[in-house]
Amino acid sequence: QKEVEQDPGPLSVPEGAIVSLNCTYSNSAFQYFMWYRQYSRKGPELLMYTYSSGNKEDGRFTAQVDKSSKYISLFIRDSQPSDSATYLCAMSAPMEGYQKVTFGIGTKLQVIP
Amino acid sequence: ETGVTQTPRHLVMGMTNKKSLKCEQHLGHNAMYWYKQSAKKPLELMFVYNFKEQTENNSVPSRFSPECPNSSHLFLHLHTLQPEDSALYLCASSQDRRGTVIQYFGAGTRLSVL
Repeated sequence: QKEVEQDPGPLSVPEGAIVSLNCTYSNSAFQYFMWYRQYSRKGPELLMYTYSSGNKEDGRFTAQVDKSSKYISLFIRDSQPSDSATYLCAMSAPMEGYQKVTFGIGTKLQVIP
Repeated sequence: ETGVTQTPRHLVMGMTNKKSLKCEQHLGHNAMYWYKQSAKKPLELMFVYNFKEQTENNSVPSRFSPECPNSSHLFLHLHTLQPEDSALYLCASSQDRRGTVIQYFGAGTRLSVL
């Protein structure tokens, strides 16, 4: 079983829709949970990060972590064509004095005007 | 602009060539990373340097050789690569390995091995 599971998509939605992106994981030691956005021909850029369970909101983006279910989500409200990108979840666990980060495979999102 | 610059952006090389990838960060960070990103696979961590010392080498073949002359620069030297090494190579930096999990990525070098 992979440590982090993420559906690669692609996911196509109409402009203005609410998008839900998800990851599941198996390692109970994960402490930090992150979402990166990667545009075509670019490197990943950090969107949001949270520590432990709960919700975090930033503009149109909401990150949600449920440690009891080992499930994290990213919601995008009022999606825009500019949101079309690949979204990678990432999680970190302490390892001998440092935080080891594990990435999901990424979900490709297309928002259609 | 993320503060992490990678050159070249694209590289085509034969299996007998020797080339180097360069990464420079302008963020004052002390940890730098090389990742490999292949289609339909998650990011694979290759090497980690913390305060110029290599602290992790994830069983990467010896045809990949990293070099970190200072905290701002990171190189990946390539020789006798295989076609399966074709991928996007990403450099990242973070404050240091202990202090933060947030990594800042460059745009990557798209490598094609013929």
